[in-house]
Amino acid sequence: GNSVTQMEGPVTLSEEAFLTINCTYTATGYPSLFWYVQYPGEGLQLLLKATKADDKGSNKGFEATYRKETTSFHLEKGSVQVSDSAVYFCAFPYYNQGGKLIFGQGTELSVKP
Amino acid sequence: DTAVSQTPKYLVTQMGNDKSIKCEQNLGHDTMYWYKQDSKKFLKIMFSYNNKELIINETVPNRFSPKSPDKAHLNLHINSLELGDSAVYFCASSQVKGSEQFFGPGTRLTVL
Repeated sequence: GNSVTQMEGPVTLSEEAFLTINCTYTATGYPSLFWYVQYPGEGLQLLLKATKADDKGSNKGFEATYRKETTSFHLEKGSVQVSDSAVYFCAFPYYNQGGKLIFGQGTELSVKP
Repeated sequence: DTAVSQTPKYLVTQMGNDKSIKCEQNLGHDTMYWYKQDSKKFLKIMFSYNNKELIINETVPNRFSPKSPDKAHLNLHINSLELGDSAVYFCASSQVKGSEQFFGPGTRLTVL
């Protein structure tokens, strides 16, 4: 069935470290792919998206590339900041079921100064 | 201007009570959703409306009833609240189904 698998958290990094959060998906067809971020006590914000294979989404120094061959959409950032501490969700819309978002389980990132 | 707003932000209530959560979006979107986030941060769809018509009704107890008076509003009414209903409930909207969704700030429901 349709699903998203993310790497388990929590992930703890020092400021300026390199970040990778792995995401793989199982989907019917080739849906758009999203990364959402949830800061403590807040709702989800769209961080970046990619709408077709080989597209790269980017925002605020974060990047992710839509890889059809490996069904992956890994999130990367070259140098994390304390303010990046949050929970990150990989997701895609299931068009045949009203466009509901299929989410991964979320990966908590904690960045220490 | 807040794009997707929810009220209240916090809701603390006793078991057995009935409560409502309201959601409004000013983005002009056609589709709105309710998601439930559990204590482990896992997000699951509950309902979706497109132009006031119910299009998703996941396996949710019938104590939960959504209502969409117009396409800018989607409310959630919960009867006979149970301890297991404690969670954060998020409203979201999208321009069309399949496009990115914009989320409200969430309502943290605590049932005592």
